[in-house]
Amino acid sequence: DVKVTQSSRYLVKRTGEKVFLECVQDMDHENMFWYRQDPGLGLRLIYFSYDVKMKEKGDIPEGYSVSREKKERFSLILESASTNQTSMYLCASTPGGANTGELFFGEGSRLTVL
Amino acid sequence: GEDVEQSLFLSVREGDSSVINCTYTDSSSTYLYWYKQEPGAGLQLLTYIFSNMDMKQDQRLTVLLNKKDKHLSLRIADTQTGDSAIYFCAEINNQGGKLIFGQGTELSVKP
Repeated sequence: DVKVTQSSRYLVKRTGEKVFLECVQDMDHENMFWYRQDPGLGLRLIYFSYDVKMKEKGDIPEGYSVSREKKERFSLILESASTNQTSMYLCASTPGGANTGELFFGEGSRLTVL
Repeated sequence: GEDVEQSLFLSVREGDSSVINCTYTDSSSTYLYWYKQEPGAGLQLLTYIFSNMDMKQDQRLTVLLNKKDKHLSLRIADTQTGDSAIYFCAEINNQGGKLIFGQGTELSVKP
């Protein structure tokens, strides 16, 4: 079974802190994604990556950056956390190919910024 | 840009059928998806339909696609309390290759 593991299920940070959210997948998938989930807004794409050291902005990249130094690991970075970044963050991966909508998700990281 | 819309809540009684509806705007959608999110978990792919199909059935799940009206529905027969979850509709086209998600419909199943 494909496993996507997010390092922290729950985090509480203070405004202005730097936050790292780590995601690792074990099935050699090319594509990895970071979404945030907010009630009534569904999932919004922050950043994605189709290859090592490659990154593309999604729909809401402001205030975030990412790193993909190894194929299996995709990190989301909040350089200076703000209260409006309190949310559920979901990482996903897919092997690519024709049906690239078959995403495998991690269990999510719930971030609270005080 | 592309948009996917769902109602936010649906409540049914155990044993009844549930129908979750979704509308989308992208006429070049190639695949449409239903994902399920159980409490405290990530999303899991339930089923998908290719855009040249009208219907797909998988055990208790029936997906109907009306491409003319850009309307997708998910029917769950004999709904059980374990079906209580948030259901997301999503679409992908052959240009951007990114999934566009709806807001999610929270299904509540009452005994």
